[in-house]
Amino acid sequence: AQSVAQPEDQVNVAEGNPLTVKCTYSVSGNPYLFWYVQYPNRGLQFLLKYITGDNLVKGSYGFEAEFNKSQTSFHLKKPSALVSDSALYFCAVRDSGRDDKIIFGKGTRLHILP
Amino acid sequence: GAVVSQHPSRVICKSGTSVKIECRSLDFQATTMFWYRQFPKKSLMLMATSNEGSKATYEQGVEKDKFLINHASLTLSTLTVTSAHPEDSSFYICSARKLAGGETDTQYFGPGTRLTVL
Repeated sequence: AQSVAQPEDQVNVAEGNPLTVKCTYSVSGNPYLFWYVQYPNRGLQFLLKYITGDNLVKGSYGFEAEFNKSQTSFHLKKPSALVSDSALYFCAVRDSGRDDKIIFGKGTRLHILP
Repeated sequence: GAVVSQHPSRVICKSGTSVKIECRSLDFQATTMFWYRQFPKKSLMLMATSNEGSKATYEQGVEKDKFLINHASLTLSTLTVTSAHPEDSSFYICSARKLAGGETDTQYFGPGTRLTVL
């Protein structure tokens, strides 16, 4: 069965510094990987995805993520954090060989300190 | 674009009443829609997957008679919480996958509905 782990409940970063939000996954087939962001009392906004191709994926708001097959990771990164990046971030995985379902990690709360 | 709306955004009801939540894909047709429940400071729990014109597929532990799902068209799915109780209070979020036109692998989420049962 597929699973996804976000080992950090919370990440604190000073504004202007680079940020990383970690994600590792487990699937039996080829993974489809996603990052979503959630602001308070709102739904999830799609940031980026990896399906196939280049391991470095660029998404919305300057975020990017790198697919690392050997480490089964898909960490979210941004070179320079903004206070407005403070939110809850979810990593998600879908097994390409199976059904429609995607499984979400438990989320990581990102605090950008001014 | 890929915009999903939910209505209502917030609802308060008395225990024992039923509440209907609508999920609409505004600018695309959705082959599949998903209903999630999110508890405070928790991740999303998939409740069910619905396909237009067929019965929804419920996840283990989700009562199908309590959480009725109807997927009447390629742009509308509804979730009805029947005989709601305080423990049903939660944030309910729907998502939709495009039928065609690219990005069919991505789920697009609605803004969520906050249900409070008194």
